[in-house]
Amino acid sequence: GNSVTQMEGPVTLSEEAFLTINCTYTATGYPSLFWYVQYPGEGLQLLLKATKADDKGSNKGFEATYRKETTSFHLEKGSVQVSDSAVYFCAPFTGNQFYFGTGTSLTVIP
Amino acid sequence: NAGVMQNPRHLVRRRGQEARLRCSPMKGHSHVYWYRQLPEEGLKFMVYLQKENIIDESGMPKERFSAEFPKEGPSILRIQQVVRGDSAAYFCASSPPTGGDTGELFFGEGSRLTVL
Repeated sequence: GNSVTQMEGPVTLSEEAFLTINCTYTATGYPSLFWYVQYPGEGLQLLLKATKADDKGSNKGFEATYRKETTSFHLEKGSVQVSDSAVYFCAPFTGNQFYFGTGTSLTVIP
Repeated sequence: NAGVMQNPRHLVRRRGQEARLRCSPMKGHSHVYWYRQLPEEGLKFMVYLQKENIIDESGMPKERFSAEFPKEGPSILRIQQVVRGDSAAYFCASSPPTGGDTGELFFGEGSRLTVL
């Protein structure tokens, strides 16, 4: 079946620290891969995506590379800011359906 | 172009009452998804609908829950005889007819149901 495993949180980092949130997936077929972000009290917003192997999605300083051989799509940012505090969801899309991870809560402290 | 609109934003019900949550997709979007987010948990898929058609309801509880997306008007998620365990945030998302290609969902801000 289709599923996604995300690094458990919560994660607390100091401002300007390096961020990695791991995500691995199992999926039938060839999924597109997404990261969504949920700020407090809001709905999810698309952060970045990649639709084929070795593609790199990037936005707002965040990056993730589609690794087909390891079925992974790890999220990285070189220098986090307080405004990045949110919950991050990894989500493969296949068979007309998204499979969301449990989310990783990130808190960035000044 | 307005985003995905959900209402009510907050709903309080007593056990045994009915809850109706509404979702108006973005203009031009014909695909609607409902997700449930329980406290301290991730998003769980509930149902995927197109106009007048349920495509995938594999995530819906077998009893008390139903969803529709009529030809006119918003999509409705209906929970009958609510119990405390139904307390959660319910998110609606929409995508355009080509959503299967782009895969991008546009989410509403959610409806937070509290069952007393």
